[in-house]
Amino acid sequence: AQSVTQPDIHITVSEGASLELRCNYSYGATPYLFWYVQSPGQGLQLLLKYFSGDTLVQGIKGFEAEFKRSQSSFNLRKPSVHWSDAAEYFCAVGIGGYNKLIFGAGTRLAVHP
Amino acid sequence: EAGVTQFPSHSVIEKGQTVTLRCDPISGHDNLYWYRRVMGKEIKFLLHFVKESKQDESGMPNNRFLAERTGGTYSTLKVQPAELEDSGVYFCASSQDPLGEQYFGPGTRLTVT
Repeated sequence: AQSVTQPDIHITVSEGASLELRCNYSYGATPYLFWYVQSPGQGLQLLLKYFSGDTLVQGIKGFEAEFKRSQSSFNLRKPSVHWSDAAEYFCAVGIGGYNKLIFGAGTRLAVHP
Repeated sequence: EAGVTQFPSHSVIEKGQTVTLRCDPISGHDNLYWYRRVMGKEIKFLLHFVKESKQDESGMPNNRFLAERTGGTYSTLKVQPAELEDSGVYFCASSQDPLGEQYFGPGTRLTVT
């Protein structure tokens, strides 16, 4: 069955530090992969997506993610975290011809000044 | 352009009562999705509309849940009768085409007491 694992429930980093959020997926075919962010009181916002091509994808707000087929991973990175990045981050796999999204449990990011 | 809107933002009802959630997608988006997040777990797919037709309702928990999209515009999700385990956040999303970006609403937080 398709699934997405985000091993870290909570992560705390200092402002200006680098960030990596882990995501592993289980899906038999070539996946469509997504990272979403949810700030308090807001809906989910798409940070970036991978459909095919270059395995390193750039997103909004300075985020990037790398698709590694051999590791079934799609980790999210940011070189320098800002206080406004504090939010909950969700990795998702899109399956089927209409991108039914299978989400991970989310990683809540706290940023210390 | 207005985003996806959901009403109400929060609903508190007693077990056995009925609640109707509403979602207004982005104008022109034929694809509409409902998702649910229960008790801080994964966000789970409920169903997918294309215009007024249900394409996939495999995620609907049971027959206490009824989704409609009359006229292919807004959608409603009715829970009747509500049970304690129905508490959670219900998200709606829409997209212009099946493989396009899904734009999420802010969610409706449902609390069943």
